[in-house]
Amino acid sequence: QKEVEQNSGPLSVPEGAIASLNCTYSDRGSQSFFWYRQYSGKSPELIMSIYSNGDKEDGRFTAQLNKASQYVSLLIRDSQPSDSATYLCAVKERSYIPTFGRGTSLIVHP
Amino acid sequence: EAGVVQSPRYKIIEKKQPVAFWCNPISGHNTLYWYRQNLGQGPELLIRYENEEAVDDSQLPKDRFSAERLKGVDSTLKIQPAELGDSAVYLCASSFTGDTGELFFGEGSRLTVL
Repeated sequence: QKEVEQNSGPLSVPEGAIASLNCTYSDRGSQSFFWYRQYSGKSPELIMSIYSNGDKEDGRFTAQLNKASQYVSLLIRDSQPSDSATYLCAVKERSYIPTFGRGTSLIVHP
Repeated sequence: EAGVVQSPRYKIIEKKQPVAFWCNPISGHNTLYWYRQNLGQGPELLIRYENEEAVDDSQLPKDRFSAERLKGVDSTLKIQPAELGDSAVYLCASSFTGDTGELFFGEGSRLTVL
């Protein structure tokens, strides 16, 4: 059973701070890693994908992957109230469908 | 470019009634997914299609759930009869191929079973 673990939160950070969201996974064969953002009452939207160890930056978002530790994280710099949402981690092995974690709720307060 | 379109957005039915959800994926996307999302949980796969072929349906409760993807484009997910525990959001997603994990989701169909 492939498992993707996330702390459900909520994670509360002040506006302008760095939000750090974490995800661990059980399957060492996992090769692709994704972060989806889901606003309340809306559907998930892909915001980051990462395939190799290290950091990947896109604007205010940085995804970090450590396959040895089976750990992937998402950093959001200069957090804004509009970043308040649930962030879903998804993990995929080569020929399988993505497995989603339960998501971490992020609240950015002014 | 139009996104993934789902209907209906909301459906309220009594238990033991049938219900059907429809999905139109992004044009050119060969892979179509149906996920179910319960409140406070991540999406869980029900079935995946590669073109018109169901290639992963191990999580689909086949006693009451059925799905089809005629001509490899639109898809329908049916529940008959519905149970109280089926209340959830049913998400359709598509991707260009099944090798990618970059999925595009529709707005979802929220089902309430009374």
